[in-house]
Amino acid sequence: DADVTQTPRNRITKTGKRIMLECSQTKGHDRMYWYRQDPGLGLRLIYYSFDVKDINKGEISDGYSVSRQAQAKFSLSLESAIPNQTALYFCATSDSTGTASYEQYFGPGTRLTVT
Amino acid sequence: GIQVEQSPPDLILQEGANSTLRCNFSDSVNNLQWFHQNPWGQLINLFYIPSGTKQNGRLSATTVATERYSLLYISSSQTTDSGVYFCAVSGRGGATNKLIFGTGTLLAVQP
Repeated sequence: DADVTQTPRNRITKTGKRIMLECSQTKGHDRMYWYRQDPGLGLRLIYYSFDVKDINKGEISDGYSVSRQAQAKFSLSLESAIPNQTALYFCATSDSTGTASYEQYFGPGTRLTVT
Repeated sequence: GIQVEQSPPDLILQEGANSTLRCNFSDSVNNLQWFHQNPWGQLINLFYIPSGTKQNGRLSATTVATERYSLLYISSSQTTDSGVYFCAVSGRGGATNKLIFGTGTLLAVQP
């Protein structure tokens, strides 16, 4: 969905490096999420934010941190990357006020490889 | 937590054939979405369907919430339909609205 963008789209980094993945949205949604997908599996939730001042851990938050810089921007950081963080990372948004208030919209994904 | 099971895990079709994908879930939901993940990894929203029936072109979906299952129908399949189809749900009463994904159905449509 072009309304949710992620940068970079692909990244190769070395073990121990700090890396930031960025997500921006023009949908005006208040809720944002970060998921990761490992090969052959579905997505799992890393962090979620219901507004700028509300950030919560998901099921696999260890080794990650996030920042909600504005309603439209939600960044995911790997403080010290390790090889098992190699995965496809997705940002998603949802609108708590709409009639389909639980529907989530996903960005195009960031493919991260940690060597 | 809520469990999501999809079947079949793999499916091979000839172009033009029809198919039905199934998603079973273990508890009441306030969200059920179907996605198509294309070979480039992008997740494409197909349906938001916590209950009822919807149609979009050659695709349609039905969710029977009381019986905890959803079906995705693909008619007159095309090679561009290939990829992985995911069902994802969020349970009622959950604070996160997080989506729980099934493991997907890998569809290959052959010309």
